[in-house]
Amino acid sequence: SSELTQDPAVSVALGQTVGITCQGDSLRSYYAHWYQQKPGQAPVLVIYGKNNRPSGIPDRFSGSSSGNTASLTITGAQAEDEADYYCNSRDSSGNYVFGTGTKVTVL
Amino acid sequence: QVQLVQSGSELKKPGASVKVSCKASGYSFTTFGIDWVRQAPGQGLEWMGGINTKTGNPRYAQGFTGRFVFSLDTSVSTAYLQISSLKAEDTAVYYCARRRSVTGTGDWFDPWGQGTLVTVSS
Repeated sequence: SSELTQDPAVSVALGQTVGITCQGDSLRSYYAHWYQQKPGQAPVLVIYGKNNRPSGIPDRFSGSSSGNTASLTITGAQAEDEADYYCNSRDSSGNYVFGTGTKVTVL
Repeated sequence: QVQLVQSGSELKKPGASVKVSCKASGYSFTTFGIDWVRQAPGQGLEWMGGINTKTGNPRYAQGFTGRFVFSLDTSVSTAYLQISSLKAEDTAVYYCARRRSVTGTGDWFDPWGQGTLVTVSS
């Protein structure tokens, strides 16, 4: 079972802001990284480290962290942002682990 | 550009074996590790482990020891995942991903292969 917990689903109106959280004790020691996965496609990295975006990722995606919680924020959500989002970090043993995933629906 | 290209879908019978390939291009293959991630139908992502492409040393996550083997052929910049004694519950999409590691930032996976669907059915 995952040691990183995410809300199963969130919805956001087109153009509004939505936050996705990832909770786990290991996040007090390690950064979370975030991936977007659209149906039938491979995951794509959207945020890594403290708040870094890979080339090609829109600046409406941002990351933050406080205590045992990491957050991914989409500011001005677009229809194409509808997807599953997974956080990823380390567990208490230092192994890699993914969060349970959050389905984002853009209304 | 940096990319990982995986082999095609497989349909196997229970008890058989399968070998999935992951060919890297656009970068020096032995500079970064390759990890494997499983996604069962309708489920989330599960880290299986990875392999150090410099040394060939594999590391397996709990639950992926024994029947799962990671290997390399550095001459063709390709990583492999072999699963033996296949069971119905091994039915999943298997992804390879390049592991990036930066001190102070952590380890993340980018890019990912397109995924390989392995179906185990009699």
